Amino acid sequence: GEDVEQSLFLSVREGDSSVINCTYTDSSSTYLYWYKQEPGAGLQLLTYIFSNMDMKQDQRLTVLLNKKDKHLSLRIADTQTGDSAIYFCAERDGNNRLAFGKGNQVVVIP
Amino acid sequence: GAVVSQHPSWVICKSGTSVKIECRSLDFQATTMFWYRQFPKQSLMLMATSNEGSKATYEQGVEKDKFLINHASLTLSTLTVTSAHPEDSSFYICSARAMSREQFFGPGTRLTVL
Repeated sequence: GEDVEQSLFLSVREGDSSVINCTYTDSSSTYLYWYKQEPGAGLQLLTYIFSNMDMKQDQRLTVLLNKKDKHLSLRIADTQTGDSAIYFCAERDGNNRLAFGKGNQVVVIP
Repeated sequence: GAVVSQHPSWVICKSGTSVKIECRSLDFQATTMFWYRQFPKQSLMLMATSNEGSKATYEQGVEKDKFLINHASLTLSTLTVTSAHPEDSSFYICSARAMSREQFFGPGTRLTVL
């Protein structure tokens, strides 16, 4: 099955940029996603990228995809305290199911 | 748009009882709904996929007689945890997807079995 790896913890000062990384194994994935989960809540879709793209920018969010290395990153510019959450990357498999990484907790320090 | 609700948001029950969790798509018709469980500080693990009007497809290792899933309409799926035990305590999250659309997640249900 798919295996999606993420690092665990990142602290960042308010106003700085934060970068979260993810690696995946299924080279046939068509879409890759970033979700945000705040404490005690469900997942909020932040952004996604189609596998034939290298980069996608959406306001403060920039997604980079290195398909050769199966590496996905999310950069959050001008990080705000409201960005404190757990971020999950996910890939969609051939059966349209999502496989999630372990999540990366981001703590924004005022 | 694309709002998914879950009810209840949290539930505490005694060991041996059954608990039903509802998942509703409020502003779209969901042909497929997914049920996940999430243990503290861990990722989401897919339990089962249900398509409206047909039996759910369970992931390996998930007991279908333990976790009963019903998807009777295009806007409602239910997960019933039968004869719950403390090890079933977890955060259960559903998601819903319309044709050719992304999955939208519910807010989750915290189940605590005493």
